[in-house]
Amino acid sequence: EPEVTQTPSHQVTQMGQEVILRCVPISNHLYFYWYRQILGQKVEFLVSFYNNEISEKSEIFDDQFSVERPDGSNFTLKIRSTKLEDSAMYFCASSEEGRQGAWTQYFGPGTRLLVL
Amino acid sequence: GNSVTQMEGPVTLSEEAFLTINCTYTATGYPSLFWYVQYPGEGLQLLLKATKADDKGSNKGFEATYRKETTSFHLEKGSVQVSDSAVYFCALWGSNYKLTFGKGTLLTVNP
Repeated sequence: EPEVTQTPSHQVTQMGQEVILRCVPISNHLYFYWYRQILGQKVEFLVSFYNNEISEKSEIFDDQFSVERPDGSNFTLKIRSTKLEDSAMYFCASSEEGRQGAWTQYFGPGTRLLVL
Repeated sequence: GNSVTQMEGPVTLSEEAFLTINCTYTATGYPSLFWYVQYPGEGLQLLLKATKADDKGSNKGFEATYRKETTSFHLEKGSVQVSDSAVYFCALWGSNYKLTFGKGTLLTVNP
């Protein structure tokens, strides 16, 4: 069964450093998402991406964050200058469609980011 | 804005016990409702969904009914197994085109 994959599974970085989290969505999917879960808190939406541009973004997704689909398979989340509060589990997801809620979002296993 | 509230965990049950995890929501319009499950070390997997009022989603013995009058989508299973031990997330998809999650409920089933 096709699945969403994410790399790395764990990342430790120093405050102020840039990190890039990578995701490979399911190949025929058109909508891509990033979510994060700070330890002990809710899973929160960050951004959705369709047709090579951002569709929706949350107030969390400020200028320090960016997303890109650099080729036909990868979908990346970049944090330009990490802060301690960016420490979280980051989930990538994809769906065949995006505007109708009945389309299932398939999630990757997550990248645990720790900022020291 | 949209929000999801689910019962605080952890929930610990013996095998073959009845499970209920409560979920209520606040949303404008007519959201779609989901239960996702996260097994240890894995990503979020869709367990079941319902897209309109009175729909019942079901999968792997789990059920949830979309109740508009009580704005609820409680998860139930008649007889849990050790393999059901996981974190369960209630979520909604609303008019803001994103999934809004509850905080998650950790279920542990003992043999």
